[in-house]
Amino acid sequence: GAGVSQSPRYKVAKRGQDVALRCDPISGHVSLFWYQQALGQGPEFLTYFQNEAQLDKSGLPSDRFFAERPEGSVSTLKIQRTQQEDSAVYLCASTPVAGAPAYEQYFGPGTRLTVT
Amino acid sequence: KQEVTQIPAALSVPEGENLVLNCSFTDSAIYNLQWFRQDPGKGLTSLLLIQSSQREQTSGRLNASLDKSSGRSTLYIAASQPGDSATYLCAVNTGGFKTIFGAGTRLFVKA
Repeated sequence: GAGVSQSPRYKVAKRGQDVALRCDPISGHVSLFWYQQALGQGPEFLTYFQNEAQLDKSGLPSDRFFAERPEGSVSTLKIQRTQQEDSAVYLCASTPVAGAPAYEQYFGPGTRLTVT
Repeated sequence: KQEVTQIPAALSVPEGENLVLNCSFTDSAIYNLQWFRQDPGKGLTSLLLIQSSQREQTSGRLNASLDKSSGRSTLYIAASQPGDSATYLCAVNTGGFKTIFGAGTRLFVKA
């Protein structure tokens, strides 16, 4: 079956522009996670959705970052007024169950964002 | 605050060698620990998941152990192959929604 997909795969934005990154989780997966991965580092947690409810957004680095999952399936991560420090790979992951990631997380290929 | 450290940061070995990757974490109160593989330009693939009550998990040539009391996990790869070349990431969950990752070990297996 289809895995987690993300689009676009690559995005170049000028500083100050707004960007929107899309994640399509595996069909029927309840939980959805967003991570930010800087070059040479491990992913860092940004936010968690259980269906359409955003239960944890403690990892969002500033109020310029906003995520939504209005129908409990596709999710969008929006970054307003992008800064150079936002350059990173943004990863999305999903699991079939709710709550803590007690099961394997299935990751998408990521969106590489470069802010110039 | 939970911190995850992986040693070594990079490793180069000849094909066929057995090797061990190390992961340490500062807070032993973990829910589970996962080992992931990441290929360049791609997402993460889960290799092994060890629940806090378990001591080890095995999958094919891979074996992961967990020692919660000492805050350590090891990933053992037997008979390494060039296709094993990738970055290996260790990650812990302490019961909330967050998974805390190490920076990874970049492995290169020479043919």
